[in-house]
Amino acid sequence: SQQGEEDPQALSIQEGENATMNCSYKTSINNLQWYRQNSGRGLVHLILIRSNEREKHSGRLRVTLDTSKKSSSLLITASRAADTASYFCATYHSGYSTLTFGKGTMLLVSP
Amino acid sequence: GAGVSQTPSNKVTEKGKYVELRCDPISGHTALYWYRQSLGQGPEFLIYFQGTGAADDSGLPNDRFFAVRPEGSVSTLKIQRTERGDSAVYLCASSLNRGRGTGELFFGEGSRLTVL
Repeated sequence: SQQGEEDPQALSIQEGENATMNCSYKTSINNLQWYRQNSGRGLVHLILIRSNEREKHSGRLRVTLDTSKKSSSLLITASRAADTASYFCATYHSGYSTLTFGKGTMLLVSP
Repeated sequence: GAGVSQTPSNKVTEKGKYVELRCDPISGHTALYWYRQSLGQGPEFLIYFQGTGAADDSGLPNDRFFAVRPEGSVSTLKIQRTERGDSAVYLCASSLNRGRGTGELFFGEGSRLTVL
């Protein structure tokens, strides 16, 4: 089963704009991770945020985590056409040994 | 190679046939995972190996699916009597697994299985 739910399912923006994707989950977690997948390719890890962290930055990426609301957001600033991909949140739930993925947000950045 | 390697990249087979998909993880990664991804969906967990043993196979959909990792490195996912519903991209990932449920996963490019 898929615990994470990303929102929106699809997002279309212009280059230079910011893109925000949200993720909600159901049970308590050890950490939450975001992955990117270009069409027809494997997933690439972007960033990991632990359950005791509230915000994390990596380059143009900013991730927030609100454990009281069981939600996370991924912000990509100053987007580029090369950011076009599907983005997945994934969670490690307490007591489980594997990452559980959501259905993803498909981001299209137009030049 | 430096990354996770999966072969074949594409496999077309007929209903009822037997299929093997191979995964070569990053050297030194003790944890290995198989996921399945259908079109428009996120990866769905199948099985997790820690070393040579299957630590969690709760995601295997039925007994037609089996996976091995005999020497704690390369893993093979085996599907017997394939059905059209098995068509998907099968992803393999590995990690250092410093602790239970902690690290990031490194994914291969996947094996796209089409069952006619």
